[in-house]
Amino acid sequence: DSGVTQTPKHLITATGQRVTLRCSPRSGDLSVYWYQQSLDQGLQFLIQYYNGEERAKGNILERFSAQQFPDLHSELNLSSLELGDSALYFCASSPRLAGWDTGELFFGEGSRLTVL
Amino acid sequence: DQQVKQNSPSLSVQEGRISILNCDYTNSMFDYFLWYKKYPAEGPTFLISISSIKDKNEDGRFTVFLNKSAKHLSLHIVPSQPGDSAVYFCAASAPLDSSASKIIFGSGTRLSIRP
Repeated sequence: DSGVTQTPKHLITATGQRVTLRCSPRSGDLSVYWYQQSLDQGLQFLIQYYNGEERAKGNILERFSAQQFPDLHSELNLSSLELGDSALYFCASSPRLAGWDTGELFFGEGSRLTVL
Repeated sequence: DQQVKQNSPSLSVQEGRISILNCDYTNSMFDYFLWYKKYPAEGPTFLISISSIKDKNEDGRFTVFLNKSAKHLSLHIVPSQPGDSAVYFCAASAPLDSSASKIIFGSGTRLSIRP
């Protein structure tokens, strides 16, 4: 158990809909990352927050948005969903800004989104 | 633009032999490299890392080698065990004051250990 909690674990929805994925980082971790893993693909970096502020952005679509709340949990909002958005969405946390000094991110089990 | 590449999607190794997983990167700003292991239905878990000031880091059966001039790193597992069967992701990160202050992952290599 990494200590990172993601909900829901599975979600099935239709094209055009909007969903929210939630992440609770490990206790004390200030940094939250979101990654997308499509079928047989690597982990695509979406966005990073540190202590409530956006710090780095990756290949995140304009239809997607995220935020980190004062209690440090984070939400990833996906709107106008398309079939290609079906993927595993992972949240990870670390105590530091980028985790680069230890390099270790602690991942949740992921939220599997299926868009029909 | 794939900054971190794992060109072998899969690898099969006999139990007890050495497994070698390879990774190439393109961004010279990367100075910290990591390997993560992922089992089905679980999130990736950290395995081993190496700083760019080193060329080798060892932790039990796992050793990571870094060749900065070639922008190449490899993970050696010896001896390979059945529990090592998983997907292995290579990742790289850059210093906080660079423009690449995020951790970039490769596409993964599925390692299968056969009896």
